[in-house]
Amino acid sequence: QSALTQPPSASGSPGQSVTISCTGTSSDFGGYNYVSWYQQHPGKAPKLMIYEVSKRPSGVPDRFSGSKSGNTASLTVSGLQAEDEADYFCNSYAGSNNWVFGGGTKLTVL
Amino acid sequence: QVQLVESGGGVVQPGTSLRLSCAASGFTFSNYGMHWVRQAPGKGLEWVAVIWNDGGNKYYADSVKGRITISRDNSKNTLYLQVNSLRAEDTAVYYCSRDGGQSGYDYVFDHWGQGALVTVSS
Repeated sequence: QSALTQPPSASGSPGQSVTISCTGTSSDFGGYNYVSWYQQHPGKAPKLMIYEVSKRPSGVPDRFSGSKSGNTASLTVSGLQAEDEADYFCNSYAGSNNWVFGGGTKLTVL
Repeated sequence: QVQLVESGGGVVQPGTSLRLSCAASGFTFSNYGMHWVRQAPGKGLEWVAVIWNDGGNKYYADSVKGRITISRDNSKNTLYLQVNSLRAEDTAVYYCSRDGGQSGYDYVFDHWGQGALVTVSS
């Protein structure tokens, strides 16, 4: 599997909504709904934000939501806040004990 | 709370070997699968390897198969990554990460260490 495709950048003003896409092939997603999203601030470790396409771990604000249609998953950040400025990576379990990440999207809060 | 602390990074010469360690605490280490994920400078994340809880099953990304070995010592709550025949393209921050399956987060990386930087340079 090659990396999932994400736009290199996205931006929005405080309070707005931004959606980041993550596109792969059917083999990248393995026929599963094990798509997850990670937030990474500069110099920090990634943090799990969304799992199983649309579920949020405890502690993650409900401003973060996920969805998937066909071979494209999406992360939406609503009510943008300054602290949401970070890199976001999608990931999918591709089956057979193999995982694939997207190339990452730098989200800028204008 | 869950803590993962990597060590063993540094500057190494091409062709040499390196072993990274990840000390785990705050959870029952022997119950969880563990991953290594790396990130080249300014680049995206790349899944490298997984080892399931008893250490009996290990799987690798095709890009590193044959040069990298993942292992664990459940008596020491420690995960390892042995990287042989190091190349410039192995330069990256190497993160250890816990598989979330035992916590209800199937097939995801639910906790991460701060990473260990490996620089391959002559």
